[in-house]
Amino acid sequence: NAGVTQTPKFRILKIGQSMTLQCAQDMNHNYMYWYRQDPGMGLKLIYYSVGAGITDKGEVPNGYNVSRSTTEDFPLRLELAAPSQTSVYFCASSLQGYTNTEAFFGQGTRLTVV
Amino acid sequence: AQTVTQSQPEMSVQEAETVTLSCTYDTSENNYYLFWYKQPPSRQMILVIRQEAYKQQNATENRFSVNFQKAAKSFSLKISDSQLGDTAMYFCAFMKWDNNDMRFGAGTRLTVKP
Repeated sequence: NAGVTQTPKFRILKIGQSMTLQCAQDMNHNYMYWYRQDPGMGLKLIYYSVGAGITDKGEVPNGYNVSRSTTEDFPLRLELAAPSQTSVYFCASSLQGYTNTEAFFGQGTRLTVV
Repeated sequence: AQTVTQSQPEMSVQEAETVTLSCTYDTSENNYYLFWYKQPPSRQMILVIRQEAYKQQNATENRFSVNFQKAAKSFSLKISDSQLGDTAMYFCAFMKWDNNDMRFGAGTRLTVKP
């Protein structure tokens, strides 16, 4: 059972570079989320999607973009990387919202911007 | 804005004993959900327990139970018969009933000692 798969697991970026963090789920979940976790802190929501073609901002969306062209995939794009984006990024999915169903998390992508 | 506070950055407990992790939150909402998530060294986020604010009865899941005090805005997690596998970061989280933006506390690192 693959669940939620994030790639890559680790990445080092130079300031100003761009990259896409990949997230795929094979559970046919409608909802998908992107979080960042800074050292010593809890997760903060960047963007989420309630279905293909629908995305919405979370608490900390600046500097990021997302798209949801299929149910399975929810990539997160970083444009013009900055040191403040150094963090661990988690993708999650759930069949419905958190209030109705459990969310499943990927194992995270550790990103360092230097 | 909703905030979640976990005042114990680190805690330890002897195997087979009981430990309680504290969580307080600030909100003006009446309907909401509270969660405890476990994050072991693998970085996977695992749902431990969930509480609906409209329910007066405290949620329980095997060795895990909560003490939900709505008036005091307190949501503590009790782990009974602690096991070595319980060693992890534990995050308390809050979410409004009509929202997908889950707000996390900074976490408590729990170590279970043999």
